Amino acid sequence: KAGVTQTPRYLIKTRGQQVTLSCSPISGHRSVSWYQQTPGQGLQFLFEYFSETQRNKGNFPGRFSGRQFSNSRSEMNVSTLELGDSALYLCASSLVVTNNNEQFFGPGTRLTVL
Amino acid sequence: SQQGEEDPQALSIQEGENATMNCSYKTSINNLQWYRQNSGRGLVHLILIRSNEREKHSGRLRVTLDTSKKSSSLLITASRAADTASYFCATDQAGTALIFGKGTTLSVSS
Repeated sequence: KAGVTQTPRYLIKTRGQQVTLSCSPISGHRSVSWYQQTPGQGLQFLFEYFSETQRNKGNFPGRFSGRQFSNSRSEMNVSTLELGDSALYLCASSLVVTNNNEQFFGPGTRLTVL
Repeated sequence: SQQGEEDPQALSIQEGENATMNCSYKTSINNLQWYRQNSGRGLVHLILIRSNEREKHSGRLRVTLDTSKKSSSLLITASRAADTASYFCATDQAGTALIFGKGTTLSVSS
């Protein structure tokens, strides 16, 4: 069974631009969560989608948004990029309920904002 | 906000030794999970322990949970160089997704 895939793996953008990251969960998994990882703040929860609906949202500004498609694939978008958005963005999928099941993580997208 | 806090932040040991890392959290939980991350890559799930469990084993891993002290420990026995990684504990908060600590960086030298 294929694992969680994320594209692109690396991305370089400049301040003010916007970016879209993609995540394909493990086949059959309906929950997709996104995390931002930085050296200073560690792993921070962005949002979770289940059956195309945002189920939970972390404490991030409205510049961060996401969506999930009917095939469970998910995208996250960051608009008006800031230097502080440079981070590793991790996507994780799980079968149904994230709280009580393990999450399977993708390799991440390394975003650098110049 | 960080729910779990791992201790120590960094740990260096020799191959064959045991490694113990601890996690403390602040609020009531349903379960606690441990994950491993190799440098700059995705996280790998190691073990999940539920709030009504006190100890759980998986291969060379042993996890304990003390809900009265709001703490957990991860023990890796007979460490190998391949165990070199960052280890994170993650806790659930009712109705939300997992909240991760800042991790313990383990270095195992041969």
